[in-house]
Amino acid sequence: DAGITQSPRHKVTETGTPVTLRCHQTENHRYMYWYRQDPGHGLRLIHYSYGVKDTDKGEVSDGYSVSRSKTEDFLLTLESATSSQTSVYFCAISETPRLSGSGGANVLTFGAGSRLTVL
Amino acid sequence: AQSVAQPEDQVNVAEGNPLTVKCTYSVSGNPYLFWYVQYPNRGLQFLLKYITGDNLVKGSYGFEAEFNKSQTSFHLKKPSALVSDSALYFCAVRDAHSGAGSYQLTFGKGTKLSVIP
Repeated sequence: DAGITQSPRHKVTETGTPVTLRCHQTENHRYMYWYRQDPGHGLRLIHYSYGVKDTDKGEVSDGYSVSRSKTEDFLLTLESATSSQTSVYFCAISETPRLSGSGGANVLTFGAGSRLTVL
Repeated sequence: AQSVAQPEDQVNVAEGNPLTVKCTYSVSGNPYLFWYVQYPNRGLQFLLKYITGDNLVKGSYGFEAEFNKSQTSFHLKKPSALVSDSALYFCAVRDAHSGAGSYQLTFGKGTKLSVIP
């Protein structure tokens, strides 16, 4: 997990409270991603970023927002947490794909995960 | 749309025996295919990928995977399993022709591999 850290690693909160998870990278990679992992669902993409202030929605973006004001930081915010958002959240980073050859086939490097429990 | 199926939730194999973890995929164009492994309380780690060329791809820790276009499969294999291979394995796919700005991988649900001593 070198080069990418997530905080907090564990959090318990109550329904209706706001929560922010932070992903910090030291690799200077352009692309950053937030996934959630749930039993029976594998990993599902929440949001991703392809540059500072450039973000887009993933498969399960409802109830989540993101921000990226610096290359190294990608924040995931739950404006009003619900029990259905209890999950393990993973941040990932990847290099800019090359424009030819295997462009786009970049490998993801994942953080260690943040376990969120919403009571 | 792109999708991945891992038909087995769990695979049990005896130490020293060959192992196979199955994966099938669906994309509209040509696929980029990946295998990742997750050890307990850790993030996912990259094992190997198929982009183009040789259908047999070799990766980390002695793992390999075979791309079969006609069967739309990308099964993960290892000739001799180790107890330390016990982990959760994820197959992932993306369409090689996804538009710029979108390099989203779609992951399977994962297969838990247990290697029995």
